[in-house]
Amino acid sequence: NAGVTQTPKFQVLKTGQSMTLQCAQDMNHEYMSWYRQDPGMGLRLIHYSVGAGITDQGEVPNGYNVSRSTTEDFPLRLLSAAPSQTSVYFCASSQQGWHIQYFGAGTRLSVL
Amino acid sequence: KNEVEQSPQNLTAQEGEFITINCSYSVGISALHWLQQHPGGGIVSLFMLSSGKKKHGRLIATINIQEKHSSLHITASHPRDSAVYICAVAPYTDKLIFGTGTRLQVFP
Repeated sequence: NAGVTQTPKFQVLKTGQSMTLQCAQDMNHEYMSWYRQDPGMGLRLIHYSVGAGITDQGEVPNGYNVSRSTTEDFPLRLLSAAPSQTSVYFCASSQQGWHIQYFGAGTRLSVL
Repeated sequence: KNEVEQSPQNLTAQEGEFITINCSYSVGISALHWLQQHPGGGIVSLFMLSSGKKKHGRLIATINIQEKHSSLHITASHPRDSAVYICAVAPYTDKLIFGTGTRLQVFP
């Protein structure tokens, strides 16, 4: 039982490049979310999904895109990377949005 | 003003000391979470509570709904407790609001 698997762990991009952060969970959770963590700030919600085919914006959605074609997978796409997107990204899943969250290991992204 | 405030921001302790981390919030909630972020970055859930008190090993979490306040206590602290402790609240929606965390260092 792997829990939440998030890849890659580290990534360096140049401004303007695009990439996809992968997230998969094997707990059959309906709710999945993406957060970013920046120094001095709490985790901030980027996008979330309450089930396959359903996604919605969080607090800081600009510059990011998501899709949820299966219950297991919830990839996050950076469309055109900017230095302001340098951050640590966490994927999480839970039975419901307010319930216990299970986090992936995180992706440390640097945009030069 | 942040909806979730943690104090202190940083805390150092000697091994064996009793530690308290506080969380105050300004919105009505259905639940409050305490999370631990290890120095390597991974985040794990410690407690989810909506009333009263919960205990797991040397960790105790309490919540006072009327005062909108929660505390996380660590008894007999150990260097392996060194981590960032994060409070998060669920304000009757699907989305959590996170505090900025309390960085704890426990020295031998």
